[in-house]
Amino acid sequence: DQQVKQNSPSLSVQEGRISILNCDYTNSMFDYFLWYKKYPAEGPTFLISISSIKDKNEDGRFTVFLNKSAKHLSLHIVPSQPGDSAVYFCAARPRRGNTDKLIFGTGTRLQVFP
Amino acid sequence: DAMVIQNPRYQVTQFGKPVTLSCSQTLNHNVMYWYQQKSSQAPKLLFHYYDKDFNNEADTPDNFQSRRPNTSFCFLDIRSPGLGDAAMYLCATSRTPGLPETQYFGPGTRLLVL
Repeated sequence: DQQVKQNSPSLSVQEGRISILNCDYTNSMFDYFLWYKKYPAEGPTFLISISSIKDKNEDGRFTVFLNKSAKHLSLHIVPSQPGDSAVYFCAARPRRGNTDKLIFGTGTRLQVFP
Repeated sequence: DAMVIQNPRYQVTQFGKPVTLSCSQTLNHNVMYWYQQKSSQAPKLLFHYYDKDFNNEADTPDNFQSRRPNTSFCFLDIRSPGLGDAAMYLCATSRTPGLPETQYFGPGTRLLVL
């Protein structure tokens, strides 16, 4: 049972425009959500996170929105740049004390073209 | 640069022949994790160490074992690899459990089982 879902395996966006990557989850006990970015032949790197008590977190060109009632979060990249082309993973942490477990989605491959 | 190193990057083994994947870190982090990622699937946590304290996920097969002889090194042993164990294996570290954004990933080892 996939608790974190990224239903779009790929997304193609023109440089300068907004990229919106979506993620849905089923477990209301998640307390933290994260986005990781992965280039080919490299491990995932942390990009941005949001606590379940917030609905928005912004870091430069990257903004994550959380809609708890819809169990949905999204990552907005504005403006998109060719260097943003990568696979983006959504991940969630169950609220369970000092747990280290992250549950990942299957990823969305973003391609930003000139 | 401080980093998480995984060797080898590619590993080929035969069906049923034990194989060991290694991970080392120069970050001096307390926690080390092993994830399995099959093609087009989400990374899945197998187990993690908090210092010498081993934490196994409930659904991790017994075929998978781990050792952490010191802070810097962690090994993943697959006792009798099956064809279904072919995957990318990701090692990650974090400074303190409970802070998910501090997980740092290595580049991964891709395992092929013949």
